[in-house]
Amino acid sequence: GAGVSQSPSNKVTEKGKDVELRCDPISGHTALYWYRQRLGQGLEFLIYFQGNSAPDKSGLPSDRFSAERTGESVSTLTIQRTQQEDSAVYLCASRPIMLQGRGYGYTFGSGTRLTVV
Amino acid sequence: DAKTTQPNSMESNEEEPVHLPCNHSTISGTDYIHWYRQLPSQGPEYVIHGLTSNVNNRMASLAIAEDRKSSTLILHRATLRDAAVYYCILRKNYGGSQGNLIFGKGTKLSVKP
Repeated sequence: GAGVSQSPSNKVTEKGKDVELRCDPISGHTALYWYRQRLGQGLEFLIYFQGNSAPDKSGLPSDRFSAERTGESVSTLTIQRTQQEDSAVYLCASRPIMLQGRGYGYTFGSGTRLTVV
Repeated sequence: DAKTTQPNSMESNEEEPVHLPCNHSTISGTDYIHWYRQLPSQGPEYVIHGLTSNVNNRMASLAIAEDRKSSTLILHRATLRDAAVYYCILRKNYGGSQGNLIFGKGTKLSVKP
């Protein structure tokens, strides 16, 4: 497709269960980012992937959070043993490789709204 | 990344121009100025970005001060659909370097009919 696709769009889960969120970036975009946005709050960076480089996991809030990316395509964000404070919209963004002296805009998906009950 | 400062909120009337200010006094020579907006219940949307010269695209114009310590996003004729939170973000650009966008609180723009 033309944009960043995320699934599911909504997910309700019971506290303690594991969830897996999926992101399909734009074809050819080498960089992929995950953000979290709690209700009424700004975006919090979680993790980013750039080609075959080691991912930057500096934003992951705990070891219950992990993410993988297959090459330069699909990424999955996994939250284990979900807690109520994990309830948020999880947003994925992708961008093409940045050439020296130029900047590229990020394209965001519509997000997955996660509700932990 | 260098910090940006924006007003918490602004109001505009429909079909009038809107000037959204952003201060970035600690900007460095390698920082691009990016603007994104987030409509209710949607992910952020890229609006425009620039380095030194003013920029125009189909969505908006970006006016950058000569010393680059401030910039203004200009919506030439506000519509109800432009009601959103507007984020001004600085991003470094090196050859091959990637990194995340650091979102502040942005400016919540309300558009009155």
